[in-house]
Amino acid sequence: KNQVEQSPQSLIILEGKNCTLQCNYTVSPFSNLRWYKQDTGRGPVSLTIMTFSENTKSNGRYTATLDADTKQSSLHITASQLSDSASYICVVSLRMDSSYKLIFGSGTRLLVRP
Amino acid sequence: DTGVSQNPRHKITKRGQNVTFRCDPISEHNRLYWYRQTLGQGPEFLTYFQNEAQLEKSRLLSDRFSAERPKGSFSTLEIQRTEQGDSAMYLCASSPPTGTNEQFFGPGTRLTVL
Repeated sequence: KNQVEQSPQSLIILEGKNCTLQCNYTVSPFSNLRWYKQDTGRGPVSLTIMTFSENTKSNGRYTATLDADTKQSSLHITASQLSDSASYICVVSLRMDSSYKLIFGSGTRLLVRP
Repeated sequence: DTGVSQNPRHKITKRGQNVTFRCDPISEHNRLYWYRQTLGQGPEFLTYFQNEAQLEKSRLLSDRFSAERPKGSFSTLEIQRTEQGDSAMYLCASSPPTGTNEQFFGPGTRLTVL
């Protein structure tokens, strides 16, 4: 069964601290993996997208890693800010003939406190 | 603003009423997706259009749900005889005809069924 599991379910950190969010997946055939940030009451916004051959990708203070062998990904947030408080969703794209299907994780809810 | 737009942003209705949501994708994006998201969960796929053709429907899309994209541009999602379990955020996303199928999400429509 194609699944994406994220941990932790929620996380509270102090402003300025770093944190790492985890994503494990069992999706085949794998096309790419994305991390989205979703503010409360808003639609998800793409942070990074990685294909099979990419191990790491950065977007400002966000760095995503991908280990295609172990089917694990992480999202590292450096020097957290209050505006980082959001849900972070790991999404794996499944290649299906001429189309793609996205398998979503349930997200990690991050709260950054002053 | 050239992003995906959705209207209305919020809808409160009584059980048994019909509701219709609209999604305007990014120009030249031929693929359009509808998702449903409940609190604390990732988005769940509902249906997918390529141009005006509805190519895939999830089993979540019961016979009370219908989606259209008559001219291959904007799309509507109608829910008939709403139930309390329909309360959720309904997200629309679009993607271009080529590339990695990166999906750009709209802000969503929050439906509350009383």
